[in-house]
Amino acid sequence: KAGVTQTPRYLIKTRGQQVTLSCSPISGHRSVSWYQQTPGQGLQFLFEYFSETQRNKGNFPGRFSGRQFSNSRSEMNVSTLELGDSALYLCASSLDPRTYEQYFGPGTRLTVT
Amino acid sequence: KNQVEQSPQSLIILEGKNCTLQCNYTVSPFSNLRWYKQDTGRGPVSLTIMTFSENTKSNGRYTATLDADTKQSSLHITASQLSDSASYICVVSAGGDMRFGAGTRLTVKP
Repeated sequence: KAGVTQTPRYLIKTRGQQVTLSCSPISGHRSVSWYQQTPGQGLQFLFEYFSETQRNKGNFPGRFSGRQFSNSRSEMNVSTLELGDSALYLCASSLDPRTYEQYFGPGTRLTVT
Repeated sequence: KNQVEQSPQSLIILEGKNCTLQCNYTVSPFSNLRWYKQDTGRGPVSLTIMTFSENTKSNGRYTATLDADTKQSSLHITASQLSDSASYICVVSAGGDMRFGAGTRLTVKP
């Protein structure tokens, strides 16, 4: 089975711009979760989508949004980028993360200048 | 205060030695506890997942223990190898929420 793929792997944006990140889960997995990882804060949960519906949401501002398509692929969007948004953004796919294994993608390294 | 506390924050050991990483949590109600290994610049990889009724679970040289009464877990690494150098993250699930520890950075030196 192919693993979780994320595109792009690296991205450089300037303050005020917006960005869209993409995640393709493992075939058959309907849950996709997004995380932000920074050296100071560690891994922080952004949101989880299950069968095209947002099921859980972390404590992030509304500038962070996402969606999931019928083929389970998911996108995450960050609008009005701030310097503090520089981070590694990870997505993880699962049959259901509450009881099953989560498989992480390699991440997208976003740098905001 | 983080609901999942890991210790130590970082650890340096010599190749071949054993080590134990700790995870204490206050998350409730408890669903399961997972240990992940994350190499620098890569996504975390699952090592073990433990439910309330499981006390010990092994994955090769990695052995995780869980004491649900005291809300403590440990990850023991036996006969460490250079490739064990990574961050180890403890994640506790409570219902639909997942709480992450800050991780322990392990460095194995030759």
